[in-house]
This record gives sequence, C-alpha cells and structure tokens, in this order.
Amino acid sequence: DQQVKQNSPSLSVQEGRISILNCDYTNSMFDYFLWYKKYPAEGPTFLISISSIKDKNEDGRFTVFLNKSAKHLSLHIVPSQPGDSAVYFCAAPAGGTSYGKLTFGQGTILTVHP
Amino acid sequence: GAGVSQSPRYKVAKRGQDVALRCDPISGHVSLFWYQQALGQGPEFLTYFQNEAQLDKSGLPSDRFFAERPEGSVSTLKIQRTQQEDSAVYLCASSVRDSRDTQYFGPGTRLTVL
Repeated sequence: DQQVKQNSPSLSVQEGRISILNCDYTNSMFDYFLWYKKYPAEGPTFLISISSIKDKNEDGRFTVFLNKSAKHLSLHIVPSQPGDSAVYFCAAPAGGTSYGKLTFGQGTILTVHP
Repeated sequence: GAGVSQSPRYKVAKRGQDVALRCDPISGHVSLFWYQQALGQGPEFLTYFQNEAQLDKSGLPSDRFFAERPEGSVSTLKIQRTQQEDSAVYLCASSVRDSRDTQYFGPGTRLTVL
C-alpha cells in the first residue's frame, strides 16, 4: 500500500525555467509533509516542509504547495539550476507516537540542463 | 560539525552470512532511525530509537533483522543469515530531540548479497 506516491520517475528542465515535482498521498491522517533531495552516494537532505494548516510554504527558490482536498502537494523550483539535478523525495510522518516514521514516495529524478 | 556517518559504505556478503552495519549519529542527537532503500524506491522505515530505547521496530522485515543502541549514541543494525532480497542501501538518520525534529541522514551502507 503506497501511501505516498510520486508518479513521475523523472523530469528534465532547462536551466532558468521552473521545475514542478508532484506528490500524491492517500492517508488523510497525514498532517505534515517534507521534501528531501538526494545526490548520488549521499543520504537524503531535508529541503522544505509544510504543515497541513498551510497551503503554501516558500524558502528562496523553493515553494511547496499543498492541496488537502486533492491530497496532492507539489514542489516548485524557480529558477532551476544545474546544481538542482538530484532525486527528490516527498515524505510524510506517520503521526501520533510514530511521528518520526517517515513514509517516502518513490522519488523523481530531476535533471536541469545548462 | 560532523554529520551522520555510516560504516562500511559498501558490503558484499554471501547468502547466509551475518552482517553488522554501524551508524554514528550527530553528537548529542537523541533520536536515531534506520531505513532500507531498495533500488529505484524511496527509503522505507525500519526502526526508531530514542536514546537507548527502541520505541518502534514495526518496519523490521523479519526476525533476522536486529538493531541496538546500547549507550544511546552509536547504533548497529545486524542482519542474520542474509538473503538476496536484503540487498539494498541501509540509511541511518538522527534528529536533535524527538521524532518530530528534522532527520539528518547519513550516506548509507550499500549491501549486496550474492
């Protein structure tokens, strides 16, 4: 049962343009979402998060949007840079006493071309 | 300061061998997590420690998997009688206090079982 899904395995974008990475979830109990970025041979690095009481959170070039009714979130990167090329995972904590138990999507490989 | 470190970075084991994977969390971090990442998938939760107490081991796939953190710092994930399906990257993460804090990941140990 894949509770967090990233349906696009890969995305290719030109430098300077917008990258939009999508994530869907099925568990309506999820109340907090995170995006992690992963370079090859490194562990995931926290990028940005959003609480379910908000519908948008912005941090520099990165903005996450949350649509609770659609159980959908997206990460926007503007402008995209070649150094953004990585695997991006969305994740959600299980909640309650298992708050640290993160459920991850399958990841989306972003390639930003110069 | 130093991040989360894991050793060995790569491990090749013959089927049936026992392996031990080590995680050194960020100094002073109370919470520690283990995840398993199969090829092309997102990380999957294995277990969670708060100090030396193992509070959640619901993700351990079988009784061949065992984790410990006896002094509340370094943790070891042990896999007995390894099987080919155990081949994956094993990621360790730590967070400052409880499971609600941001998790910082190590680079992982890539285990290949022949």
